[in-house]
Amino acid sequence: AQKITQTQPGMFVQEKEAVTLDCTYDTSDQSYGLFWYKQPSSGEMIFLIYQGSYDEQNATEGRYSLNFQKARKSANLVISASQLGDSAMYFCAMRGRARAGSYQLTFGKGTKLSVIP
Amino acid sequence: DTAVSQTPKYLVTQMGNDKSIKCEQNLGHDTMYWYKQDSKKFLKIMFSYNNKELIINETVPNRFSPKSPDKAHLNLHINSLELGDSAVYFCASSTRQDDGEKLFFGSGTQLSVL
Repeated sequence: AQKITQTQPGMFVQEKEAVTLDCTYDTSDQSYGLFWYKQPSSGEMIFLIYQGSYDEQNATEGRYSLNFQKARKSANLVISASQLGDSAMYFCAMRGRARAGSYQLTFGKGTKLSVIP
Repeated sequence: DTAVSQTPKYLVTQMGNDKSIKCEQNLGHDTMYWYKQDSKKFLKIMFSYNNKELIINETVPNRFSPKSPDKAHLNLHINSLELGDSAVYFCASSTRQDDGEKLFFGSGTQLSVL
């Protein structure tokens, strides 16, 4: 079974500063995928970034980067130059094998990020 | 055009009623899901369908019954609604069944059971 842990229920960051949201995972799978999703107050789930377990380079998407440390089983999200619109819940998720050879996405409990002007 | 659309966006109903939430995706994806987000924002998978076939059925009361008439649709029917069913229900889809494919989510249905 997969497990995702986000230890920061809430974080504050000053506008224009960088912030790191922590995520650790546990899995016995050799192959898996790690995702970050953003959920603003409007409620929709927005895909931010993906890292494959065999990818040697850390994933980057604009202001988002994923600090992937496989040996430590961590996949932290780094947001550079925070903007007010970054205030939202952020979910780390892992896609790995479920029953009957299928795959499923397991989510962490989320971190609420608040950007301060 | 909305990629994954679910209706209704809000659903307020009395305990004991039966209700349905509809989901449609126009992305040509093979796999669709239902997730439940509780009041603490925790997201948990309920069901997964691949090409109309049920492949994941987590520990969900059998009052919840998914129906997939075709691979573009996955509806969720809930019988005898209970107070604890109040949550946001998300439909999602993905193009393939492997660990590299991201999920596209619908905008959610906020269910309130009174």
